[in-house]
Amino acid sequence: KAGVTQTPRYLIKTRGQQVTLSCSPISGHRSVSWYQQTPGQGLQFLFEYFSETQRNKGNFPGRFSGRQFSNSRSEMNVSTLELGDSALYLCASSSGQLGGGELFFGEGSRLTVL
Amino acid sequence: AQKVTQAQTEISVVEKEDVTLDCVYETRDTTYYLFWYKQPPSGELVFLIRRNSFDEQNEISGRYSWNFQKSTSSFNFTITASQVVDSAVYFCALKEEGAQKLVFGQGTRLTINP
Repeated sequence: KAGVTQTPRYLIKTRGQQVTLSCSPISGHRSVSWYQQTPGQGLQFLFEYFSETQRNKGNFPGRFSGRQFSNSRSEMNVSTLELGDSALYLCASSSGQLGGGELFFGEGSRLTVL
Repeated sequence: AQKVTQAQTEISVVEKEDVTLDCVYETRDTTYYLFWYKQPPSGELVFLIRRNSFDEQNEISGRYSWNFQKSTSSFNFTITASQVVDSAVYFCALKEEGAQKLVFGQGTRLTINP
């Protein structure tokens, strides 16, 4: 079955702009999580959506937001971009069961802020 | 608070050597899940294994093996007879019951030299 698809794979923005990233989960999966990966901070949890509702949120400023659609596809938005937002943004797909369910990751969207 | 520590930032070995990647975790929960992921240069996090806190059996999958010891809060990963294709960054992660959020270690960059 198809894996997790993230678009775009690469993008370059300038400070102050905003960006929207998209994630299509594995068919049948209802949970989508987002992670930010930077050399300094490593992999950090942004938020998780399940059945169109944000179920969990990490410690990021309000400039970072997301949503999930009825088909489980998710988008995340970063407004008023800062240089420090340059990162690899990874999306994870899972069935959503609150236990040991596996998370499957996409290849990420690499954002560069100039 | 949850925390995962991978003390080895980088490891470099010659092909066919055995190598062990260390992972130490902290959690107050009695039910939790431990994961290992591999991240090749493409960026995608590839799931390797999941262990729940009630199952301390060691696991072997081909050249890969995992040693889970609750007494020392460790979940170490060994690659036997390493190959160049094993070169990647490896992440250990922790997920607590009731949360769809992974807490990652800082990762270990493994380089296998021919």
